Amino acid sequence: AQSVTQLGSHVSVSEGALVLLRCNYSSSVPPYLFWYVQYPNQGLQLLLKYTSAATLVKGINGFEAEFKKSETSFHLTKPSAHMSDAAEYFCAVSVSQGAQKLVFGQGTRLTINP
Amino acid sequence: ETGVTQTPRHLVMGMTNKKSLKCEQHLGHNAMYWYKQSAKKPLELMFVYNFKEQTENNSVPSRFSPECPNSSHLFLHLHTLQPEDSALYLCASSQVLANYGYTFGSGTRLTVV
Repeated sequence: AQSVTQLGSHVSVSEGALVLLRCNYSSSVPPYLFWYVQYPNQGLQLLLKYTSAATLVKGINGFEAEFKKSETSFHLTKPSAHMSDAAEYFCAVSVSQGAQKLVFGQGTRLTINP
Repeated sequence: ETGVTQTPRHLVMGMTNKKSLKCEQHLGHNAMYWYKQSAKKPLELMFVYNFKEQTENNSVPSRFSPECPNSSHLFLHLHTLQPEDSALYLCASSQVLANYGYTFGSGTRLTVV
């Protein structure tokens, strides 16, 4: 069964520092992977998605993620954190168990220190 | 309007009330979903609808009753809720092949008193 695991429920970085949010997946078939961001009292917004084209995927707000099959990882990075990046981030994988749907990780709360 | 719209944004209801949450999508999608998001818990998938037909119910209590009259509208009817049902309820839509990802609404913040 496909699943994702986000390492670290809370990550804190300084403004201007590198952001690295970790996601590992489990899938017996080539996966479709996603990163979503959620601001307080809002829905989830798609940041980027991997659909088996380029392994380095660029998303909105300067974020990118690299698909590494050998490591079963899809980590999210941003070179320089901004205060507005403070939010909850969710990794997800598309699965086909009954209805096709997305399975989400437990989320990582990103805090930016001034 | 574009995207996925959820109403109301906030709802306070007593345990004996009956209320409904509404979700509408203007994206031409044909799959719709209800998720529950509680504090400090993972996102919980509640219901999945494909082409108006319910294809998944994740053991949701019967006090939650979904309705999907067409591919653009999704409702969640609520009755005799418990305080632990207080949460953010999120609606999402997608093409039936969810490989393209979901589009989420902004959610309804429900408080049961």
